[in-house]
Amino acid sequence: SQKIEQNSEALNIQEGKTATLTCNYTNYSPAYLQWYRQDPGRGPVFLLLIRENEKEKRKERLKVTFDTTLKQSLFHITASQPADSATYLCALFSGGYNKLIFGAGTRLAVHP
Amino acid sequence: DAGVIQSPRHEVTEMGQEVTLRCKPISGHNSLFWYRQTMMRGLELLIYFNNNVPIDDSGMPEDRFSAKMPNASFSTLKIQPSEPRDSAVYFCASRPDRGSSVGELFFGEGSRLTVL
Repeated sequence: SQKIEQNSEALNIQEGKTATLTCNYTNYSPAYLQWYRQDPGRGPVFLLLIRENEKEKRKERLKVTFDTTLKQSLFHITASQPADSATYLCALFSGGYNKLIFGAGTRLAVHP
Repeated sequence: DAGVIQSPRHEVTEMGQEVTLRCKPISGHNSLFWYRQTMMRGLELLIYFNNNVPIDDSGMPEDRFSAKMPNASFSTLKIQPSEPRDSAVYFCASRPDRGSSVGELFFGEGSRLTVL
């Protein structure tokens, strides 16, 4: 069966360090992978999209990698800040470009 | 643009009652999605529309759930009769079909439903 797996345990890091979140998937062959941020009581907000032919994508302090051989994406936040504390969700298209399926998300807590 | 607008933000109802959740997508977006989020199951896709037409409703849990999109600026998700296990946050999201935002979903703030 198709699965998207993210660390269910919260990731706690110190301010200024790099946070690395993992997204693994099975039985998918996605052309695109997306990352979203969700704050408590709010809807998810799009952060980055990476295509299968892109190994790496950057946006300000964010970096995403996409390894289709390992079936894995890594999401990095450099120089993390307490304001980066949130739940981060990865998402894949299933069955074309209309069904976006989400992982369960990983909660990140950045401590001062 | 005001973004995707959902109402009500919170709904508390008793088992057996009908619940209607409403969504106004971003103007010009061709696709609309309804998701449900719970701690146990995360974000689940219920149904999506393209150009007001339901394309895939395989995620709708059972016949008690129905969704409509009578025009490009309005959609409803109805639960009748509601049950306690329907308690969740229901999100509506929209997406343009062309342009630089292809693929990106724009979510509303959600409707938190509690069925007693």
